[in-house]
Amino acid sequence: ETGVTQTPRHLVMGMTNKKSLKCEQHLGHNAMYWYKQSAKKPLELMFVYSLEERVENNSVPSRFSPECPNSSHLFLHLHTLQPEDSALYLCASSQVVSTGALYEQYFGPGTRLTVT
Amino acid sequence: AQSVTQPDIHITVSEGASLELRCNYSYGATPYLFWYVQSPGQGLQLLLKYFSGDTLVQGIKGFEAEFKRSQSSFNLRKPSVHWSDAAEYFCAVGAPAGGGSQGNLIFGKGTKLSVKP
Repeated sequence: ETGVTQTPRHLVMGMTNKKSLKCEQHLGHNAMYWYKQSAKKPLELMFVYSLEERVENNSVPSRFSPECPNSSHLFLHLHTLQPEDSALYLCASSQVVSTGALYEQYFGPGTRLTVT
Repeated sequence: AQSVTQPDIHITVSEGASLELRCNYSYGATPYLFWYVQSPGQGLQLLLKYFSGDTLVQGIKGFEAEFKRSQSSFNLRKPSVHWSDAAEYFCAVGAPAGGGSQGNLIFGKGTKLSVKP
C-alpha cells in the first residue's frame, strides 16, 4: 500500500451506533489530520496530531473522538451521531518540523458517512 | 487571520480551451500556497505548491500557478483543458509552524470545473 489509506470507504450507521474510521499513512510522516467535508461548506479541520500528540481540536462535538496510537495510524471513533454529521471524512498526513516550515498534506480517499 | 477566497463556485469550459481559476488569500506575511484537485468520490490530490522563489510554479497534469503578492492572488492556469480535468479545485494557504501558528492549512470553498466537448 502506498500513500494514505482509509477504511471503510462507505459507512451507514444509525444514530445509536458506535463505529470507527481508520486511517493509515505509508509516507513516514509525523503529523496526521481529520477533516470533514460537507456539501457547500469548505473543508473543516477537526483534529490534528503532531508527533502523536493532539495539538488542535477545533471545537468538535464530543461524539467524535480521535485516537492516534502511533505516527502511522489515526482513528476517528463515532458514537450517537446526528444526521447532520453525514459527510465525507478525509484523513491527511504531512511532515512537520517544530518551527519554521510547512509541508504539503497528502490526503486519503475519504470515508463517505451516512447517519440515518 | 488567514483566509482564502475562491470567487467562482462553478466554471464550464470547452475541451481544448484555456483555463484560469482564481484564488485570493489574506495573510500578513508571505504565505505558503497550494492547489489541490478532487475528483468525485476521491480525496484531494496536490497539484502544485508555492513556498518562495520563482512566482510562476509548475505542477502536475500541465497546470501552473502564479503568485502575485500585489494582488494577494495565486491563480491556477492550464493552456488547454482535457475532459479528464473535470473536478473540483481547492486553493489553500498556510503559515509555517511557530509564532502562534500550528502550521495548518486553510482551504477555500472550491471551484467546480465542468468540461464540455
